[in-house]
Amino acid sequence: TQLLEQSPQFLSIQEGENLTVYCNSSSVFSSLQWYRQEPGEGPVLLVTVVTGGEVKKLKRLTFQFGDARKDSSLHITAAQPGDTGLYLCAGKETSGSRLTFGEGTQLTVNP
Amino acid sequence: DTGVSQDPRHKITKRGQNVTFRCDPISEHNRLYWYRQTLGQGPEFLTYFQNEAQLEKSRLLSDRFSAERPKGSFSTLEIQRTEQGDSAMYLCASSLVGLGADTQYFGPGTRLTVL
Repeated sequence: TQLLEQSPQFLSIQEGENLTVYCNSSSVFSSLQWYRQEPGEGPVLLVTVVTGGEVKKLKRLTFQFGDARKDSSLHITAAQPGDTGLYLCAGKETSGSRLTFGEGTQLTVNP
Repeated sequence: DTGVSQDPRHKITKRGQNVTFRCDPISEHNRLYWYRQTLGQGPEFLTYFQNEAQLEKSRLLSDRFSAERPKGSFSTLEIQRTEQGDSAMYLCASSLVGLGADTQYFGPGTRLTVL
């Protein structure tokens, strides 16, 4: 079973600050997804990265997939209170279809 | 365009009772997945179907759990003789294999509480 380590587990920042969330593994993934989850709801897809070294931008969010497809990062610029939520990274195994999730990063952006 | 739907959204049951959850995937998606999420953790894979065939089951899926997707559309997840440790959010996801990265889209989940 492949494992994904996500850090930090908790992050509390002030509005306007920048932050980075990391997702690391010793295993190679065929793709990696980032989701955001609100309390009592299912994860909502933010982005899928597939190619090693790939960088994708979604407004103030920048996602990067490591060259070796073992790690990924999410960078948020000028965080806003609306960014508050649980951010989950999930890697798709190279030999199957299941997603392996990190434990999540609970982000709180204070006004 | 409707997303993945799950029913019920919440279920409270007594220990020892059986429960059944339903998932309707995104139309035309051929893969359907079940995950379980406990408080403070990321979701954990339980099982998945491609069309009506159940292709993989996790070790987490004990004998008390059974999932079906009889016509390759909606799926049901049944838990027999529920235990307090079964309390969790049960998430369903669907994807369309064969195009791109086979990205999984999740439903809103069913929150199960076993008393």
